[in-house]
Amino acid sequence: RKEVEQDPGPFNVPEGATVAFNCTYSNSASQSFFWYRQDCRKEPKLLMSVYSSGNEDGRFTAQLNRASQYISLLIRDSKLSDSATYLCGTDTDKLIFGTGTRLQVFP
Amino acid sequence: GAGVSQSPSNKVTEKGKDVELRCDPISGHTALYWYRQSLGQGLEFLIYFQGNSAPDKSGLPSDRFSAERTGGSVSTLTIQRTQQEDSAVYLCASSLAPEAYGYTFGSGTRLTVV
Repeated sequence: RKEVEQDPGPFNVPEGATVAFNCTYSNSASQSFFWYRQDCRKEPKLLMSVYSSGNEDGRFTAQLNRASQYISLLIRDSKLSDSATYLCGTDTDKLIFGTGTRLQVFP
Repeated sequence: GAGVSQSPSNKVTEKGKDVELRCDPISGHTALYWYRQSLGQGLEFLIYFQGNSAPDKSGLPSDRFSAERTGGSVSTLTIQRTQQEDSAVYLCASSLAPEAYGYTFGSGTRLTVV
């Protein structure tokens, strides 16, 4: 079993839609959790750290469920510019990423 | 510099040759990672440096791969006797306080082995 697993998608959603991604992790000792955004042929950029209490940044909400060992990312009111691959990462003794979930927002 | 700098940005090499990839992390960042990303794939962990601790080399795919970090700053990733399957983008990331700030990535080195 992979340490971090994501649905590769693609998720094709219309502008204005709400979309959610989950990411499961296998190591219960994982301490830190992150969502990164990666545009085509670019480096990943930090979108949000994920805190135990959950956190929100504008249209983006991240949550952590330790009991079920997953993190989620909710994007509200999707924009065309949200089209990208979203990578989740967990940091136990090293930072490991999932393979990413591709989001395509269409007009 | 303001960000993580990697060089070269592109490298084309012949099969069997050695290559050296360089990463200049953000000044003061104690943690440094190397990842490999093949076309359309996720980030494959290669090696992790944290301060003066022994590096975690558990992700290096073979003994042709090695990395060092001199003076806790610049890091070089060396691939000996390159093979075509080594073709990928090699990404470096650094951080000072990951829990608070996550990791900052460089723009990567695109390696093509012909």
